[in-house]
Amino acid sequence: GQSLEQPSEVTAVEGAIVQINCTYQTSGFYGLSWYQQHDGGAPTFLSYNALDGLEETGRFSSFLSRSDSYGYLLLQELQMKDSASYFCAVMNYGGSQGNLIFGKGTKLSVKP
Amino acid sequence: EPEVTQTPSHQVTQMGQEVILRCVPISNHLYFYWYRQILGQKVEFLVSFYNNEISEKSEIFDDQFSVERPDGSNFTLKIRSTKLEDSAMYFCASSPSAGNQPQHFGDGTRLSIL
Repeated sequence: GQSLEQPSEVTAVEGAIVQINCTYQTSGFYGLSWYQQHDGGAPTFLSYNALDGLEETGRFSSFLSRSDSYGYLLLQELQMKDSASYFCAVMNYGGSQGNLIFGKGTKLSVKP
Repeated sequence: EPEVTQTPSHQVTQMGQEVILRCVPISNHLYFYWYRQILGQKVEFLVSFYNNEISEKSEIFDDQFSVERPDGSNFTLKIRSTKLEDSAMYFCASSPSAGNQPQHFGDGTRLSIL
């Protein structure tokens, strides 16, 4: 079967750094994506890792280790607006094109 | 910035009725998807669509569901004979190609079955 594991909740203060981990077990793995979702909103793409290593986009970075089936999202200089759910998602090639298999999400609460 | 648009934002339907959820993907995108998110749960893949045919579908996407691209811009999800458990947020997404291209999501249609 396919599964992704990530913490259900994380709390941090403004200005801090937080790391959200994700471990996965899937077939046909192609890459790991991260999406942000505010309450009632649409998932918004944050980053994608196909190869091992760190990808940096502004305050957000994402890391992948294919050998460990593990990745993380690093959020720096936290702001109140970062309070949201963060989903890791595996790009899965079960057939002729990729679809996203999502984790259950990590609810991040940023406090003043 | 171009975006995926979905209509309606909220649909309330009696159990057993048919519903059609509409999506306009980003114009130069070639791959289209439907996902479902039951309240408080994770986003679940339903179906992907390319070149006017279904590419992949999940076990959720049974005979009750169908998709169509009736013209050059719209992409629809039809649910026949709706059930209470179909109540969820339905997201449409599109991407310019498969592989490492990010999927862009619409704001979703909240479907409530009474």
